[in-house]
Amino acid sequence: QKEVEQNSGPLSVPEGAIASLNCTYSDRVSQSFFWYRQYSGKSPELIMSIYSNGDKEDGRFTAQLNKASQYVSLLIRDSQPSDSATYLCAGPRDYKLSFGAGTTVTVRA
Amino acid sequence: SQTIHQWPATLVQPVGSPLSLECTVEGTSNPNLYWYRQAAGRGLQLLFYSVGIGQISSEVPQNLSASRPQDRQFILSSKKLLLSDSGFYLCAWKQGKHYGYTFGSGTRLTVV
Repeated sequence: QKEVEQNSGPLSVPEGAIASLNCTYSDRVSQSFFWYRQYSGKSPELIMSIYSNGDKEDGRFTAQLNKASQYVSLLIRDSQPSDSATYLCAGPRDYKLSFGAGTTVTVRA
Repeated sequence: SQTIHQWPATLVQPVGSPLSLECTVEGTSNPNLYWYRQAAGRGLQLLFYSVGIGQISSEVPQNLSASRPQDRQFILSSKKLLLSDSGFYLCAWKQGKHYGYTFGSGTRLTVV
């Protein structure tokens, strides 16, 4: 079983809608999770970090962590064409991060 | 503030030629350093990581090697490139166990 699994996608949403991305993880003791955005041809950029159960909001992005159910999600509200990218979730594994396969989001104008 | 530099941005190399990619981090000390490769349309593959000077851990056996000659310098090398070494090479650093990575801008390597 992979440490972090990201099964949804690709995801196409109309402009202004909410995009919802999900990840599950296998390590119950993981303390922190991260969401990265990667535009085509560019390196991944850290957009959200979450360390405790519940929601964390930053602008149009909300990360949710549920340690009991071992999932982490990212909501993008009021989606814009500039949000079109691949989103990667990541969780800690020793000194490293374990990445999901990524979800490609396309926002239709 | 911390910055990570990675060069060159693009590289076209013939099969059998050597490779040297360099990554440096500024504004921090004793960072954990990482080399990843991303094949076209694929996920991130961890190649090497280092938690200190001279310490290298290899995740997968392959035609590449890494070195960390200084605290904030990480080098990826190959003696003889293969076609399969083509990809997007990313250097990353993080300060400790509970932090996320910061990635460099990447090197797009094409082996011809």
